[in-house]
Amino acid sequence: EVQLVESGGGLVQPGGSLRLSCAASGFTFSSSPMHWVRQAPGKGLVWVSRISTDGGGATYADSVRGRFTVSRDNAKNTLYLQMNSLTVDDTAVYYCTGDRGSVGDSWGPGTLVTVSS
Amino acid sequence: EVVMTQSPLSLPVTLGQPASISCRSSQSLVHSNGNTYLNWFQQRPGQSPRRLIYQVSNRDSGVPDRFSGSGSGTDFTLKISRVEAEDVGVYYCMQGTQWPPYTFGQGTKLEIQ
Repeated sequence: EVQLVESGGGLVQPGGSLRLSCAASGFTFSSSPMHWVRQAPGKGLVWVSRISTDGGGATYADSVRGRFTVSRDNAKNTLYLQMNSLTVDDTAVYYCTGDRGSVGDSWGPGTLVTVSS
Repeated sequence: EVVMTQSPLSLPVTLGQPASISCRSSQSLVHSNGNTYLNWFQQRPGQSPRRLIYQVSNRDSGVPDRFSGSGSGTDFTLKISRVEAEDVGVYYCMQGTQWPPYTFGQGTKLEIQ
């Protein structure tokens, strides 16, 4: 069974940093590009970032480029999102999702990031 | 950036009746490889999103056959042949042809009337 489990969310002050993790199992992680998608409270889904299978290629939404860094450890079957210079607009549930053939084939339960003073 | 526009944004439906959601893109979603990367997701209340349809019309494993996707170019539709209570939630279309960024529609909230 495919499983994605995010962790690392929490309460952080504006300007602070957090590192999210996404543990993957049940599929060949190293063969799947991976994505982060976020959802602000009561709002829709917004794509944040994509990373290639070997980690050599990363793309970002304009709203996070230069502040967020996506990475992966294929030996540990884990995806990461380093988030710096956080603002209140970054408050959201962050989901990791796979891309086997097409985006969004599997989703984790999400982890809540709250940016507030 | 490709803008995805869904309609309606709110969809009250009677149990057992059909439902249809439209999704239009601001640019063609036909990729240079000939594929069209238009996916549909369901998000039930309090749950994570779940993909229903990928590449316009391919149903994901375990998705009931009352869900179907169709369309081409810039015009796409998700249809539910007979709405059941478990179909309540928000439905999103998403394009993965011209990225970055990948873009979602605003979401359509389906409720039972």
